[in-house]
Amino acid sequence: KAGVTQTPRYLIKTRGQQVTLSCSPISGHRSVSWYQQTPGQGLQFLFEYFSETQRNKGNFPGRFSGRQFSNSRSEMNVSTLELGDSALYLCASSLATMTAGELFFGEGSRLTVL
Amino acid sequence: AQSVTQLGSHVSVSEGALVLLRCNYSSSVPPYLFWYVQYPNQGLQLLLKYTSAATLVKGINGFEAEFKKSETSFHLTKPSAHMSDAAEYFCAVSEGGNQFYFGTGTSLTVIP
Repeated sequence: KAGVTQTPRYLIKTRGQQVTLSCSPISGHRSVSWYQQTPGQGLQFLFEYFSETQRNKGNFPGRFSGRQFSNSRSEMNVSTLELGDSALYLCASSLATMTAGELFFGEGSRLTVL
Repeated sequence: AQSVTQLGSHVSVSEGALVLLRCNYSSSVPPYLFWYVQYPNQGLQLLLKYTSAATLVKGINGFEAEFKKSETSFHLTKPSAHMSDAAEYFCAVSEGGNQFYFGTGTSLTVIP
């Protein structure tokens, strides 16, 4: 069974640009969550999508957005990039349950903003 | 509001020694608690989870954690450290659903 796949793995952008990251969840998983990982801050929840709808959202500015497609694949977009957006962006998929289930993480997309 | 505190951003132990990684949480309801491990350049992998069954939870690779409600703690232990245990460890809490709150992580170094 294939794991969570994130693309691209590495990318470099300059301030003011925008970026789109992609995530393909494990087959059968309908929930996709996104996290930002930075040194010292740990992992911070961005948002969760289920059945193409945003179900939960973390405390990030509106420059951070996402969407989910009918095949459960998800994308997140960051517009008007700032230096502080440099981070590892992790996608996680899970079975959609009301109880907390296991999150399965991809290897992440490492974004560097110059 | 939920939060997770991991005491000690860096922990060093000798190979064969006890591993103890500390995690305290705050939650307004009985939480679900997790420990994840992250190896360099990889995503996170679940070590173990507490979901209100037994308070002592056994995970993979010989790790276990004990839920102590009175102390709001969920410390991770392993009796004997191995070189392959060197990694970053994250404690996480959820009140249900798939929104997790993670601690800032503890980097474990194992000294030969």
